[in-house]
Amino acid sequence: KAGVTQTPRYLIKTRGQQVTLSCSPISGHRSVSWYQQTPGQGLQFLFEYFSETQRNKGNFPGRFSGRQFSNSRSEMNVSTLELGDSALYLCASSLGLMGELFFGEGSRLTVL
Amino acid sequence: ELKVEQNPLFLSMQEGKNYTIYCNYSTTSDRLYWYRQDPGKSLESLFVLLSNGAVKQEGRLMASLDTKARLSTLHITAAVHDLSATYFCAVDLGGGADGLTFGKGTHLIIQP
Repeated sequence: KAGVTQTPRYLIKTRGQQVTLSCSPISGHRSVSWYQQTPGQGLQFLFEYFSETQRNKGNFPGRFSGRQFSNSRSEMNVSTLELGDSALYLCASSLGLMGELFFGEGSRLTVL
Repeated sequence: ELKVEQNPLFLSMQEGKNYTIYCNYSTTSDRLYWYRQDPGKSLESLFVLLSNGAVKQEGRLMASLDTKARLSTLHITAAVHDLSATYFCAVDLGGGADGLTFGKGTHLIIQP
């Protein structure tokens, strides 16, 4: 059974650019969550999607957005990148809203 | 605001020894998770604890949950080098609110 797949795995951007990250959940999983991991702030919740609807959003500025498609695949977008957005972005999927989370390998973003 | 505190944050120990990692949280919850992260890798789910008094064991690791004390422990028995990793606890308030709140992680090094 394939796990959570995130693309791209690594990317480098410059300040002011935007980036889109993609996540394919485990087959049959309908909930997708996104987390940001940095050395300073640790792991922080970004948002959660279920059945194409954003259920919750963490304390991040509006530059961070996401969406979920009918096949449960999800994308997140960060616009007007700042140096502080450099992080490992982790996607996790679960069967339902309160299920165990299974994490992907992450997308490591470096902003120069 | 839910706060999750782990201690210690750094632990260096010898093979064969026993030790316990503690996870305290500030708001009532009966859903707690333990994850392992190897350097440069994603999060691997270790234990899901869903009720007061829950105890789960896998190999040399055992996790428990005391919801009244708002405390979970991860006990390592007769440590081996392969258990070197960063261990995170995460608390779920339920209903999907705010996703998981993670502790800062315990960086565990087990020396031969």
